[in-house]
Amino acid sequence: EPEVTQTPSHQVTQMGQEVILRCVPISNHLYFYWYRQILGQKVEFLVSFYNNEISEKSEIFDDQFSVERPDGSNFTLKIRSTKLEDSAMYFCASSDRGLAKNIQYFGAGTRLSVL
Amino acid sequence: KNQVEQSPQSLIILEGKNCTLQCNYTVSPFSNLRWYKQDTGRGPVSLTIMTFSENTKSNGRYTATLDADTKQSSLHITASQLSDSASYICVVNSKTSYDKVIFGPGTSLSVIP
Repeated sequence: EPEVTQTPSHQVTQMGQEVILRCVPISNHLYFYWYRQILGQKVEFLVSFYNNEISEKSEIFDDQFSVERPDGSNFTLKIRSTKLEDSAMYFCASSDRGLAKNIQYFGAGTRLSVL
Repeated sequence: KNQVEQSPQSLIILEGKNCTLQCNYTVSPFSNLRWYKQDTGRGPVSLTIMTFSENTKSNGRYTATLDADTKQSSLHITASQLSDSASYICVVNSKTSYDKVIFGPGTSLSVIP
């Protein structure tokens, strides 16, 4: 069964550094998403991406964050100048067109630890 | 303010027993409601998705109900198994902000032998 893959599974970085979290969505999907989940808290929407541009973003997704689809398969989340409070699980998701857009398939997540 | 609340926060049941998880939302206008299962350290996996006109939807041992008038949903799990131990998350989409999904805090279910 096709799945969303995320790398790395765990990323450790120093405060102030930049990180890039990588995702390979399901190949024929058109909609892509990033979410984060701080330990012990609920999942929070960050951003959605369609047709090579951001379609929606939350208040969390400020200038520190950016997303990119550099080629036909990867979807990346860049976090500049990381802060301690950026430590969280980051989930990538993708969905198909039409009614299937409602069904988002999630990756296993990248655990980001900012020291 | 668009919110999704879930109860109970956590639940422990014996293997083989049934249980029902609750979800209340204030999201408006409503588009759809989804239940996800999230194993510890893993991404959420979709169980059911329900639109405004649907009252009940089943997926194996999982049955979700939706009352759009009272803005309540439930997830019923029958004949629980040890592998059902996970967090169950209610997620609601708003029509005006289609991609901005609102996650509930989840119910942590533990099935014990």
